[in-house]
Amino acid sequence: KQEVTQIPAALSVPEGENLVLNCSFTDSAIYNLQWFRQDPGKGLTSLLLIQSSQREQTSGRLNASLDKSSGRSTLYIAASQPGDSATYLCAVNYPGSQGNLIFGKGTKLSVKP
Amino acid sequence: NAGVTQTPKFQVLKTGQSMTLQCAQDMNHEYMSWYRQDPGMGLRLIHYSVGAGITDQGEVPNGYNVSRSTTEDFPLRLLSAAPSQTSVYFCASSYGKGREIGGYTFGSGTRLTVV
Repeated sequence: KQEVTQIPAALSVPEGENLVLNCSFTDSAIYNLQWFRQDPGKGLTSLLLIQSSQREQTSGRLNASLDKSSGRSTLYIAASQPGDSATYLCAVNYPGSQGNLIFGKGTKLSVKP
Repeated sequence: NAGVTQTPKFQVLKTGQSMTLQCAQDMNHEYMSWYRQDPGMGLRLIHYSVGAGITDQGEVPNGYNVSRSTTEDFPLRLLSAAPSQTSVYFCASSYGKGREIGGYTFGSGTRLTVV
């Protein structure tokens, strides 16, 4: 059964730091992986979608990488800002899932001014 | 575009009552799904649909029904509410399906309390 793990569960950093959030999955046979952001009391916002054939995707200060063979993805946030404070979730789409995503439990990020 | 619209935003039910959570999307997405989010449990799939007239169960379907009569709408029905169904419910949609699924668009959620 595909499982997605995110470590750490929470992270606190000072403003301006570059940081990396980690996501691991147990079965490397995935179709794609998505990173989401969730603000308190809100829905999820899609940040980046990486197909299995890709190594990375970039959007502004965000860069997501994918290493299927090791079952890992990282989300790199450059020059963090207090507005980046949120919970970040990764999710995978894999064969047999019909497009349904399996989510990690997220990393709660706090960026201190 | 409105994206994915969920109503109501908040609801309190008594045990045994029934209700329908509404979800509508205006992006002509084939795929729609319902998740519940609970502390410590993460997001769990309740039901999903890969097109009008097609629905299937997810990880935690018991106590819930769905139907997909149109591409736009995917309501979730609670048959007889139980305290264990207290949760935040999210509807999501995406273009494509299966291997071709794209980025998900989520609604803002319905916070349900069953007393």
